[in-house]
Amino acid sequence: AQSVTQLDSHVSVSEGTPVLLRCNYSSSYSPSLFWYVQHPNKGLQLLLKYTSAATLVKGINGFEAEFKKSETSFHLTKPSAHMSDAAEYFCVVSSGGGADGLTFGKGTHLIIQP
Amino acid sequence: DAGITQSPRHKVTETGTPVTLRCHQTENHRYMYWYRQDPGHGLRLIHYSYGVKDTDKGEVSDGYSVSRSKTEDFLLTLESATSSQTSVYFCAISQTDYNSPLHFGNGTRLTVT
Repeated sequence: AQSVTQLDSHVSVSEGTPVLLRCNYSSSYSPSLFWYVQHPNKGLQLLLKYTSAATLVKGINGFEAEFKKSETSFHLTKPSAHMSDAAEYFCVVSSGGGADGLTFGKGTHLIIQP
Repeated sequence: DAGITQSPRHKVTETGTPVTLRCHQTENHRYMYWYRQDPGHGLRLIHYSYGVKDTDKGEVSDGYSVSRSKTEDFLLTLESATSSQTSVYFCAISQTDYNSPLHFGNGTRLTVT
């Protein structure tokens, strides 16, 4: 069995300050982990993925995430928030259970204050 | 954006009527998925397909059926719509299965009155 928990349903930061979106997972196998972003009235877009290579993963738009096995975490960070980063972010875990083996977190709504 | 088109983008229908949502892709990807998105639930898998005429159930398949007669088209049918099926429906595609990123359409907002 696998699960994913996004620890904050809403995060609010000021433009130009760092962003931290937290994700913890549980998995019986070596997982693959993903972060997706969803802008209003749009589908989800892949930000980055971890598949057992480097533990620090760089994604698009300046985002990165670090896989920490000992803490079962995969937190998403960005050094400096931009107004265009305001969106919903989803952490996703896959444990190789087949095409239906993805588990989505419930999402974190990122608010950027001017 | 990956070539995924969902139609219609918005639909309002009455309880008890059948509804079909269409997903069309131009990427020739093998895997196609239907998800529903509801507040507080994230995305939940309804059905998926791993090839023409090859489909399987997901987490929340009750009340839904699917068909895939061509690589590019994946249809989701609500046989008799209920108010609990009011949701935003997303189609996604991927080249392989679980380790391959998903590419999503822009969604269909369905309201059942």
